[in-house]
Amino acid sequence: DSGVTQTPKHLITATGQRVTLRCSPRSGDLSVYWYQQSLDQGLQFLIQYYNGEERAKGNILERFSAQQFPDLHSELNLSSLELGDSALYFCASSAPGQGGETQYFGPGTRLLVL
Amino acid sequence: AQSVAQPEDQVNVAEGNPLTVKCTYSVSGNPYLFWYVQYPNRGLQFLLKYITGDNLVKGSYGFEAEFNKSQTSFHLKKPSALVSDSALYFCAVRDKGNFNKFYFGSGTKLNVKP
Repeated sequence: DSGVTQTPKHLITATGQRVTLRCSPRSGDLSVYWYQQSLDQGLQFLIQYYNGEERAKGNILERFSAQQFPDLHSELNLSSLELGDSALYFCASSAPGQGGETQYFGPGTRLLVL
Repeated sequence: AQSVAQPEDQVNVAEGNPLTVKCTYSVSGNPYLFWYVQYPNRGLQFLLKYITGDNLVKGSYGFEAEFNKSQTSFHLKKPSALVSDSALYFCAVRDKGNFNKFYFGSGTKLNVKP
């Protein structure tokens, strides 16, 4: 158990809908990262937050947004969902660092868009 | 251009034999380099990383990797494979000068046969 929790574990929704994925980092970790893992795109870095502020941005679509709250939990919002958004979404957390921090991954949220 | 490549989708090795999982990268400048392992239906687990200093990095479960700047490689190795090492292995690279550039390889499935 990494200490990172993600809810829900599974999510089934329809195209055009909006969903919110939630992540709670390990105690003491200030950074939260979001990833998408799909069969055709592999594992992709989406975005990183550090202590409430966006720190790095990867291949995150404009339909997707994230935020980190004062209690350090984070939410990833996915809107106008398409079939291709079906994937496993991971959250990870790390202690403060200079970019090379070890990340601890949550168990993931499996999203199925029908 | 691909930023990190794992040229082998699958590596098969007999238990007790040495194993190598290959990774090359093309991020400019100095990179942070990581190896993560993913067991079925689980999140990723950190194995080891290269930040700076000694090119040979030792990590969890007896794994090690060597940073080779001239060949832009960071191959994962283990002297004696175990059946329990069977899993999906991901190499990742992050640009020290631009944290947005954070890429994972496509993954290599390691099969260790008894």
